[in-house]
Amino acid sequence: NAGVTQTPKFQVLKTGQSMTLQCAQDMNHNSMYWYRQDPGMGLRLIYYSASEGTTDKGEVPNGYNVSRLNKREFSLRLESAAPSQTSVYFCASREYRGSYEQYFGPGTRLTVT
Amino acid sequence: SQQGEEDPQALSIQEGENATMNCSYKTSINNLQWYRQNSGRGLVHLILIRSNEREKHSGRLRVTLDTSKKSSSLLITASRAADTASYFCATEIYNNAGNMLTFGGGTRLMVKP
Repeated sequence: NAGVTQTPKFQVLKTGQSMTLQCAQDMNHNSMYWYRQDPGMGLRLIYYSASEGTTDKGEVPNGYNVSRLNKREFSLRLESAAPSQTSVYFCASREYRGSYEQYFGPGTRLTVT
Repeated sequence: SQQGEEDPQALSIQEGENATMNCSYKTSINNLQWYRQNSGRGLVHLILIRSNEREKHSGRLRVTLDTSKKSSSLLITASRAADTASYFCATEIYNNAGNMLTFGGGTRLMVKP
């Protein structure tokens, strides 16, 4: 099993450009999450999907949209990138909401100039 | 805002010594989890402790939870150079909107050979 995969690994955008970060998991997990991690800080939740067909805002949703395409895939879109969105983005999944661990992807390092 | 705050922010020890990291949080929780992050990688789950548990062990890891003080500690015994990483606590609160993990800022541990 590949676990949680993310593409791309690195991306440089100019202010105002758009892009979609892709995430897929092969563990048949119900819940999926998108986080951002700024230098020297912990993770902050952007959006999550508790189950297929549902999405909800997390702590820092402004400037982002998400799509839960199917049970395996959860994408994050930046419609008009801003320098403040320069960060490392992590996707995670877990079996179900509740007392279960989350499994993380390797991250996408995004720079907006 | 971050629910969990780790202390210290950075810790440097010699191989073979024990490493203790602390986490404090603000509101009542359902469980608390510890994760490790190696440089440039995603997070890896270490251990989960539920609010009705006081102590858990996993290999060289010992986690305690004191709900009256709203704090937890992670002890790594007989540390190794490979334990060099950042360690994050994450708290979880169950609610109708969907359970989410809230991460602290992390402790950067360096174990010198």
